[in-house]
Amino acid sequence: NAGVTQTPKFRVLKTGQSMTLLCAQDMNHEYMYWYRQDPGMGLRLIHYSVGEGTTAKGEVPDGYNVSRLKKQNFLLGLESAAPSQTSVYFCASTGHGDSLYNEQFFGPGTRLTVL
Amino acid sequence: EDQVTQSPEALRLQEGESSSLNCSYTVSGLRGLFWYRQDPGKGPEFLFTLYSAGEEKEKERLKATLTKKESFLHITAPKPEDSATYLCAAGFFGGFKTIFGAGTRLFVKA
Repeated sequence: NAGVTQTPKFRVLKTGQSMTLLCAQDMNHEYMYWYRQDPGMGLRLIHYSVGEGTTAKGEVPDGYNVSRLKKQNFLLGLESAAPSQTSVYFCASTGHGDSLYNEQFFGPGTRLTVL
Repeated sequence: EDQVTQSPEALRLQEGESSSLNCSYTVSGLRGLFWYRQDPGKGPEFLFTLYSAGEEKEKERLKATLTKKESFLHITAPKPEDSATYLCAAGFFGGFKTIFGAGTRLFVKA
């Protein structure tokens, strides 16, 4: 099992450019999440999905869009990147049922710099 | 406002020097308190979930405890390989929100 994988690992964008971050999990998990991590701050939830074809806003959704067309994949899009979106992005997943309140499995992260 | 605060921000220990990390929380509807370990350049890795005040869980040199207002991660006789950032997080009833603290960076010197 690869667990949760993310691509790319690093990316540099210019202001106004767009990109898509891909998250894939092979644990048949229902729930998937996108977080950003900034220095001195905790992980903050951007968007999440409770199943294939569903998405919902988290704490800091502005400037991001997501899609969950397949159960194993969760995509995070930046339509017009801004320097404030420079961050490390983590994808995570959890199972179903009461495991909502159990551990989240995290990917290795994508380090994004917007110039 | 729901909040999770970790202290200290950084902790430097000698190998074998036991200590504790603190996670204080002010939240309504707490379902579980989580501890994760994060190594540089990697994603967080799950350590423990605590569900009720008085609960304790152990894993090797780590022991997590929970009260109604805070959680402690006790590290007994740490080794250099315990050096990492330790994150605590609060999960809530009825939703998917998880609030993470900013973490404590632990450095253990041989």
